Amino acid sequence: EVQLVESGGGLVQPGGSLRLSCAASGFTFSSYWMHWVRQAPGKGLVWVSRINSDGSSTSYADSVKGRFTISRDNAKNTLYLQMNSLRAEDTAVYYCAIATPGGFYWGQGTLVTVSS
Amino acid sequence: QLVLTQSPSASASLGASVKLTCTLSSGHSSYAIAWHQQQPEKGPRYLMKLNSDGSHSKGDGIPDRFSGSSSGAERYLTISSLQSEDEADYYCQTWGTAWVFGGGTKLTVL
Repeated sequence: EVQLVESGGGLVQPGGSLRLSCAASGFTFSSYWMHWVRQAPGKGLVWVSRINSDGSSTSYADSVKGRFTISRDNAKNTLYLQMNSLRAEDTAVYYCAIATPGGFYWGQGTLVTVSS
Repeated sequence: QLVLTQSPSASASLGASVKLTCTLSSGHSSYAIAWHQQQPEKGPRYLMKLNSDGSHSKGDGIPDRFSGSSSGAERYLTISSLQSEDEADYYCQTWGTAWVFGGGTKLTVL
């Protein structure tokens, strides 16, 4: 069974940093591209970033480019999102997700609140 | 630019059927999409992948009450025999250089 478990969310001041993790199990982690998607309170789903299977290629939404860094550790089956220079508008639940031949899988999300 | 358009809200009565629409932007009518359900205070749940020819493949455990169809740039999600637990937000999604989501449709079961 595919499982994605996010962690690392919390309250951070504007301008601060946070690193999110996504622990994966139930599939061959090193074979799949991974994604981060966020959802601000009361709003819709927004794609944030993706990384290819070996970590050599990444892509970001314009809103986070230059501030967020996606990475992965295939030995630990873990995906990361390093978030720097955080802003109030980054407040959201952050989900990790994958697309497989069998469909899409989502984690339960981790809440990031940027506030002073 | 790849854009997905959804109506913000829909409603239907318990036991009835409802058809939700997702429209692909001009020039992208051949794209496949995915439908996801998000019940209140929960994370998204994958429902199905829907191709331009209307063929679709559903996620594990998705009831037969959920089906998909396509016409041109429109992608549809039909839910029959509506139940109270179907009250949720429904998002369509596609993928190109990045994932793209529609704005979501809030379904109310009356």
